[in-house]
Amino acid sequence: QSALTQPRSLSGSPGQSVTISCTGTSSDVGGYNSVSWYQHHPGKAPKLMIYNVGRRPSGVPDRFSGSKSGNTASLTISGLQAEDEADYYCCSHAGAFTGLFGGGTRLTVL
Amino acid sequence: DVQLVQSGGGLVQPGGSLRLSCAASGLTVSGDYMSWVRQAPGKGLEWVSVIWTAGSTYYTASVQGRFTISRDNPKNTLYLQMNSLRVEDTAVYYCARDLTGSYAFDIWGQGTMVTVSS
Repeated sequence: QSALTQPRSLSGSPGQSVTISCTGTSSDVGGYNSVSWYQHHPGKAPKLMIYNVGRRPSGVPDRFSGSKSGNTASLTISGLQAEDEADYYCCSHAGAFTGLFGGGTRLTVL
Repeated sequence: DVQLVQSGGGLVQPGGSLRLSCAASGLTVSGDYMSWVRQAPGKGLEWVSVIWTAGSTYYTASVQGRFTISRDNPKNTLYLQMNSLRVEDTAVYYCARDLTGSYAFDIWGQGTMVTVSS
């Protein structure tokens, strides 16, 4: 099964908003409300930022929001800050009780 | 404090075996959906396996039949037994707790490196 499709890289200036897309199929992203997003700094464990498409775990700033339309999910980061620079991954239920991650997006804060 | 502490990993030859451990504190491995996720060098995250609270187990296709996920309830520890290892299994392996049972991993181990090489 191929990874969900994410842009390889994105950039933005402090204070701006960026949106990371995650495109799958009706068998994964489009078929379940089980999309999650992770922030990953190299050498550290990933951090859950969004789950069930648009829910934020406690402690995650409300600058991070998630949505989904059809087979594409999106993570929006508003008011970009230097510490947001990281790799971001989406993940979805992919049927047959399996999970599927996206290829990852490297976010650079200019 | 809720945490997962991993052990195991290391260098193994192709065709060899290795067992990873993930000791939990502040949560019960039998009371949560627990998964293994890996990241090969220079690559993205890849979901590997899950064990449900009821004990059902599922795997990504590339490890089906070679890897076995299990848990020891009295020790509150999750395991990943990896057999017939291949070069392409080289990765950092993470154990993780699934918050909702829908691939929302909120608690992660520190990761452990597995290198398969001759």
